[in-house]
Amino acid sequence: GAVVSQHPSWVICKSGTSVKIECRSLDFQATTMFWYRQFPKQSLMLMATSNEGSKATYEQGVEKDKFLINHASLTLSTLTVTSAHPEDSSFYICSAAPGGSSTDTQYFGPGTRLTVL
Amino acid sequence: AQSVTQLDSQVPVFEEAPVELRCNYSSSVSVYLFWYVQYPNQGLQLLLKYLSGSTLVKGINGFEAEFNKSQTSFHLRKPSVHISDTAEYFCAVAGNTPLVFGKGTRLSVIA
Repeated sequence: GAVVSQHPSWVICKSGTSVKIECRSLDFQATTMFWYRQFPKQSLMLMATSNEGSKATYEQGVEKDKFLINHASLTLSTLTVTSAHPEDSSFYICSAAPGGSSTDTQYFGPGTRLTVL
Repeated sequence: AQSVTQLDSQVPVFEEAPVELRCNYSSSVSVYLFWYVQYPNQGLQLLLKYLSGSTLVKGINGFEAEFNKSQTSFHLRKPSVHISDTAEYFCAVAGNTPLVFGKGTRLSVIA
């Protein structure tokens, strides 16, 4: 149980275009979803936390207008990278938690590799 | 705020040998500690977590970790590793903020 999927698994796009990444909890309802960014040989950096039906909470230094997050249902959150540029190339990982507590286990998706040309 | 330091970026070990992956944390509040494993091309999977109670925590796949408050450590151990344990291991801490991850330790098990 507790499976989280991401789509697409990898995407290549031209500079200036927008890319949408989906994160779904397949067998449980996720009160909270998280979006992370992982650079090569680096740790996961939390970008934002989203609760179903409310606006996402972004971490310091993350541009809200560039990384649009929508958590429209208890099983789906989307991350849209708007007007992507090469420096946005990275590995984006989402996670989902049944509750909103910091002690809740987060279940991670397999990640999406974004390459911006 | 919390932070995590994983002291070793890579740990090579022979099959059936014991292994310890080190993790130290800093926090001004009570913490909850986690170890996650990431196999190639897969998402992170929870190995074990410490919330409270016994300081020795047993997880999946034969791994265990010990919470040491005085040394602010949460080292991960396994008495005998298998080839299939080759993966990236992340230590993470949560307290009054969401999870903060260490940079990861690549465990390579050699046949």
